[in-house]
Amino acid sequence: GDSVTQMEGPVTLSEEAFLTINCTYTATGYPSLFWYVQYPGEGLQLLLKATKADDKGSNKGFEATYRKETTSFHLEKGSVQVSDSAVYFCALSKPNTDKLIFGTGTRLQVFP
Amino acid sequence: EPEVTQTPSHQVTQMGQEVILRCVPISNHLYFYWYRQILGQKVEFLVSFYNNEISEKSEIFDDQFSVERPDGSNFTLKIRSTKLEDSAMYFCASSGTSGLETQYFGPGTRLLVL
Repeated sequence: GDSVTQMEGPVTLSEEAFLTINCTYTATGYPSLFWYVQYPGEGLQLLLKATKADDKGSNKGFEATYRKETTSFHLEKGSVQVSDSAVYFCALSKPNTDKLIFGTGTRLQVFP
Repeated sequence: EPEVTQTPSHQVTQMGQEVILRCVPISNHLYFYWYRQILGQKVEFLVSFYNNEISEKSEIFDDQFSVERPDGSNFTLKIRSTKLEDSAMYFCASSGTSGLETQYFGPGTRLLVL
């Protein structure tokens, strides 16, 4: 069935370091892809999304490109801040279905 | 900014007891969802609800689970007879006029079954 695989955490970085969190997916058809972020004590918030191949989603300095040839949607940020410390979830959805299919989440810890 | 709220934030119950988890979706949203995350595992879809009926459910959502929108603001998940394996974080979400729109999540209820 359809699934999402994320790199295991925690990812620990110093402030201003480059961030990559890997995400790959398995799905038939043409899924939409998402990154959600969960800050401590809060719900999951949509960070960015892409709905078709080669689309790039971006928000708050984060980017991810929908790569159909490698079935990937890796999250990147050029310079992380302490305030980016959170859990990041990669997810997909399919047309004609309501549900989101999530990965396990990757905890990011950024130290000053 | 409108947000989804959930109560309680934590719930501890004995195996076999009934629990009701409550959610207040964003006020003009029409689609409602429950997800859960067992510790260390993936966030899993349980059920979606639209127009006062279930529109989709997963294999996890068996007869022990039910959902209800008892009034114009609340959306509840009931587990009739809890099992140890029901211990998880339960997330409520809502979306606007289409199930394909962005889903907005609440902070979750952590359920512990002893």
